[in-house]
Amino acid sequence: AQKITQTQPGMFVQEKEAVTLDCTYDTSDPSYGLFWYKQPSSGEMIFLIYQGSYDQQNATEGRYSLNFQKARKSANLVISASQLGDSAMYFCAMRRNAGGTSYGKLTFGQGTILTVHP
Amino acid sequence: DSGVTQTPKHLITATGQRVTLRCSPRSGDLSVYWYQQSLDQGLQFLIQYYNGEERAKGNILERFSAQQFPDLHSELNLSSLELGDSALYFCASSSELTPKNTGELFFGEGSRLTVL
Repeated sequence: AQKITQTQPGMFVQEKEAVTLDCTYDTSDPSYGLFWYKQPSSGEMIFLIYQGSYDQQNATEGRYSLNFQKARKSANLVISASQLGDSAMYFCAMRRNAGGTSYGKLTFGQGTILTVHP
Repeated sequence: DSGVTQTPKHLITATGQRVTLRCSPRSGDLSVYWYQQSLDQGLQFLIQYYNGEERAKGNILERFSAQQFPDLHSELNLSSLELGDSALYFCASSSELTPKNTGELFFGEGSRLTVL
C-alpha cells in the first residue's frame, strides 16, 4: 500500500521569499511517480509538478521545484519568490508507475495550507 | 480550464435521496477517476474506469456506484444519502503514462454535495 504524509498543516511565508512544503512517502513499488497539486480557495485542483522515481534530476517547473531524496523517501516542494496568489492548499500525491489494479490512481496526503503575507 | 467537465457544480438534497453526478473527461483520455474530498477524510479515491471498464476501486461505499459509458463520460450515483456524504466530489481524467507524458490527473471543478 502507498502512503503519503504531509506533516505541516499550515505554513506562513513572506511575499518574495522561498518556502518548502514537506512530503514523505512510503511504498514498496520500485517504479512510482510523485505529484504536487495546488487547491486554491475556489476549489479546483491544479497540477504543479511531477517526479518519477527513476528520474536522475530533480523536477523543476518555473518557480516550483521538487527536492527528491529517494533514500529518505521525501519529495518536498520548493516554491521560490512566493506570491500572494500562491496562498492555497497544497497536496502531495503518488502513483504506481507500472501495471496492476492500482495503476493510475493517485494517493494523496492530507495537505498543507500555505499563506503568503504581503 | 482542465478540460474535464463536471455537473452539477452544486447540489443540495435531503437524507435518503439519490443523486447522480456527471463527468466528461478531457478529449482523448480513456481513464476517469472519482474522488471524494471532505474535511475529516481528505481526498479519498473512490473508483477508476478505463475505457468503460472498472479498473480500480477504493473506499467507495456500497450505496455508491459508478459507470463509464461508450462515449467515455462517467456518472457517479449516490443513493440513500446521509449527512456524512456531504463533500466535494471530483472527477479526473488522464492519458496513459508514456516516456513523454507523466499521465497526471486533470481534475474537474468538482460537484459540491450538501445533504440536509
